[in-house]
Amino acid sequence: AQKITQTQPGMFVQEKEAVTLDCTYDTSDPSYGLFWYKQPSSGEMIFLIYQGSYDQQNATEGRYSLNFQKARKSANLVISASQLGDSAMYFCAMSSYSGGSNYKLTFGKGTLLTVNP
Amino acid sequence: DAGVIQSPRHEVTEMGQEVTLRCKPISGHNSLFWYRQTMMRGLELLIYFNNNVPIDDSGMPEDRFSAKMPNASFSTLKIQPSEPRDSAVYFCASSFGGPSSYNEQFFGPGTRLTVL
Repeated sequence: AQKITQTQPGMFVQEKEAVTLDCTYDTSDPSYGLFWYKQPSSGEMIFLIYQGSYDQQNATEGRYSLNFQKARKSANLVISASQLGDSAMYFCAMSSYSGGSNYKLTFGKGTLLTVNP
Repeated sequence: DAGVIQSPRHEVTEMGQEVTLRCKPISGHNSLFWYRQTMMRGLELLIYFNNNVPIDDSGMPEDRFSAKMPNASFSTLKIQPSEPRDSAVYFCASSFGGPSSYNEQFFGPGTRLTVL
C-alpha cells in the first residue's frame, strides 16, 4: 500500500529564514509523482510543486524547492526566505498506480508551519 | 479563468437529512475527484471519475454515500441519510488527461458540512 509520512505535526520559523518540511513515502511502483500542497487557514488547497520519480533534478518553483532523495524515499519541501503569508498547513502527496491506467493521490497528515515576525 | 467551483460553501443539516454537494470542474479537465478532510483521518479520496465514468469508489465510506457525474461539467456527492460523523470538509478536484503520476489536481474551495 502507498503511504506518505510527515513526521512534523508543527514547525516554527523566523521570517526570512529557510525551513525544511519533511516527507517520506513508501511505494513499490517505479513510476510515481510527489506533490506539495499548501492549505492556509482559509481552507483552500494550493498546489506548490511537483517531482516525478524519473526526474533527475530537484524541482524548484520560486521560493519552493523539493529535496528529492529517491534511495531514501524522501521528498522534503524547502521554503527559502520565509514570509508571514507562508503560515499554513502543508501536505505532501504521492500519485501512484492504482490499477488499469489510473493513479491515486495519497496525502500525508500535514505539517502546520508558523512563521514568526 | 474560473477554478473548480463547489456549492454550497457551508452546509448545516440535521441527522437523517439528505445532503447534496455540487462541483463544477475546470473546463477541459476530464478527471474529477471527491475528497473528505477531517482532523482525525486527514484528507481521504472518496471517489474519482475519468471522462464522467467512476473509476474507483473504494474510498466511499458506505452505501449512504453516492456520487454522480452526468456530464463533463457537473458532479454531485450525496449523503442520505446524513450522520454527525459525516461532518467534514469535502473537496472536489479536477485534472486534465486522467489521473496519472504527473497530473496536478486543482482543488475547489471545499464545502464545510456540519451534521447536527
